[in-house]
Order: sequence, then structure tokens, then C-alpha cells
Amino acid sequence: DAGITQSPRHKVTETGTPVTLRCHQTENHRYMYWYRQDPGHGLRLIHYSYGVKDTDKGEVSDGYSVSRSKTEDFLLTLESATSSQTSVYFCAIKGGGYQETQYFGPGTRLLVL
Amino acid sequence: DAKTTQPNSMESNEEEPVHLPCNHSTISGTDYIHWYRQLPSQGPEYVIHGLTSNVNNRMASLAIAEDRKSSTLILHRATLRDAAVYYCIPKPNFGNEKLTFGTGTRLTIIP
Repeated sequence: DAGITQSPRHKVTETGTPVTLRCHQTENHRYMYWYRQDPGHGLRLIHYSYGVKDTDKGEVSDGYSVSRSKTEDFLLTLESATSSQTSVYFCAIKGGGYQETQYFGPGTRLLVL
Repeated sequence: DAKTTQPNSMESNEEEPVHLPCNHSTISGTDYIHWYRQLPSQGPEYVIHGLTSNVNNRMASLAIAEDRKSSTLILHRATLRDAAVYYCIPKPNFGNEKLTFGTGTRLTIIP
């Protein structure tokens, strides 16, 4: 257990509304990630962070923004949700040492109507 | 990113060994081979990784071909809890933050 929680775990929203998903970690890891998972696809990286206020884009970053104002929290915002953003969102952290192993949270299921 | 090829699905009997293959013929010389699995309704979890030689841990063994173009994840004695989607992911050990998940192999365990 890498001490990762995600909130909310489930959310239903309407097209055009803003949505923020939160990832919280308790172990002070530097790297945090947001992925999305859709049927027929593996997980795809949206954004990641390598420190407070340090973030970078992944392969599917359009329509998403992130913020990291403290080590333990990494926020993913959909400024104006669209139906194509209906997905399961996973947060991950990178474990310590040289192992490059990522540990994932339980996921947030988002439905955009 | 190196392309991977895995069977879409496999079945195995409970308490039998399971060999999950992965082809990664375009792997770079510095890529480690990572395996993750995803149980139903959960996030992925790390299983094992290696570079050239075979690796063992409490969950599984990883056998890497001498030319590194393929690898096999070995579950020595499958349990019902091992039913999951298994992903093989070549990844540099530094510099590339992305784990590139394919569609993996769905493993079904038959009681």
C-alpha cells in the first residue's frame, strides 16, 4: 500500500461543467501521475508532476490541466468536461530508489453526460 | 516506445503454473521489462521487472530471452486471486516517465 487515495471515487457530471479530481499521497514521493483508462485501451498518461509546481504533459493532455501546490496533493481539472472524457482516472506515484516502479490509486470513475 | 505483443487472453487451472508470454522485438538495449497486473475494478499493481537475467520475487518469476526480444512472466502456482489483466511494458530506467500500457493478457483461473 503506497498510501494513495483518490477523491471522489465516482462522479457524474454534465457536459461543459468544470471537474476537479484529487490525488493524495501520504509518503512524500516526488513524482505523481494521472492516467486515464478506456475500454479497448491500456492506461494512457495525461500529465505528471516531478515536484511542487513542476508538471509536464503526457500523451493525452488536451482538455486537462493539473496543479501541485504541495507535495501530497496532485489535482486534475477538466475545465469544461466533454463526453469523450468519460473514463476511469488513475493516479500513481513513483516509488523511491532507482526502481522506477509506479504505484497506483484505486481510480475515479467519471461519467460526463 | 518499444511495441509489445501479448495474447489477448489465457486460461489456467488453479494451482498450476502459468506462463504469460510477451514479444518486444523493438526493445532498446537500455529498456527494462516491467510487468504490471490489474485486478478487476482496481488500479494496476507492479509485479516484477528485469533487464537481462532472470528475476524472481515473491509474486512471480521473469524469464528474459537471451536476445531480449521476448520475455515470459511465470506464476508458479496460480490462485483465483491471480485472475487479472497482465501488462508487459518495456521502459528505460531513467528519463522517460511514461508507462506505456498495451491491452495486455486477460488471465482467467479455472477452479
